[in-house]
Amino acid sequence: AQKVTQTQTSISVVEKTTVTMDCVYETRDSSYFLFWYKQTASGEIVFLIRQDSYKKENATVGHYSLNFQKPKSSIGLIITATQIEDSAVYFCAMREGTGGYKVVFGSGTRLLVSP
Amino acid sequence: EAGVTQSPRYAVLQEGQAVSFWCDPISGHDTLYWYQQPRDQGPQLLVYFRDEAVIDNSQLPSDRFSAVRPKGTNSTLKIQSAKQGDTATYLCASSFGTGGSQNTLYFGAGTRLSVL
Repeated sequence: AQKVTQTQTSISVVEKTTVTMDCVYETRDSSYFLFWYKQTASGEIVFLIRQDSYKKENATVGHYSLNFQKPKSSIGLIITATQIEDSAVYFCAMREGTGGYKVVFGSGTRLLVSP
Repeated sequence: EAGVTQSPRYAVLQEGQAVSFWCDPISGHDTLYWYQQPRDQGPQLLVYFRDEAVIDNSQLPSDRFSAVRPKGTNSTLKIQSAKQGDTATYLCASSFGTGGSQNTLYFGAGTRLSVL
């Protein structure tokens, strides 16, 4: 069964610095999709960035990028030049390539960006 | 484009009472998900649909929870006899099953349920 694990419960950084959040996953599929979502203080959950398992290049969107290490089943989220408004809970998620459209989430990492 | 709409936003019940949550997905999205998010935890999948068909409801407590999506558009999640352990936010999400943006979930604002 697919599983996503985020071991970092919370991270605190000073604004304008770079932060990396870890995520490891388990799957038997050779094809899968990995996602990062952000949940703000209001509870809103928004999609940030995605990595398809067959792509070797790390995805980048704005100041978000991914560190995809397939042999380690790892997909880290990197936020560069952090801003106060990046303070939120970040979830890693996965969908396997076969067997339906089930998307499972990790437990989340709370990021606090301070001045 | 309208987002995913959920109602009500909040619900407070006594144990044993019933409650229904309603979700209107983004127009054209064929896949709809219901997640339960306890406080300070990640979303946990309860059930998901492709069009009107239930694809996976293995995590739905079937003795008290039920979910339907009769026309492949709106969906209702119902708790027959709520327990204190059901206290959580219930999230609805939708996505396209195919296409360039496939698999990206779009979430509603959620329904925050408190069972006293």
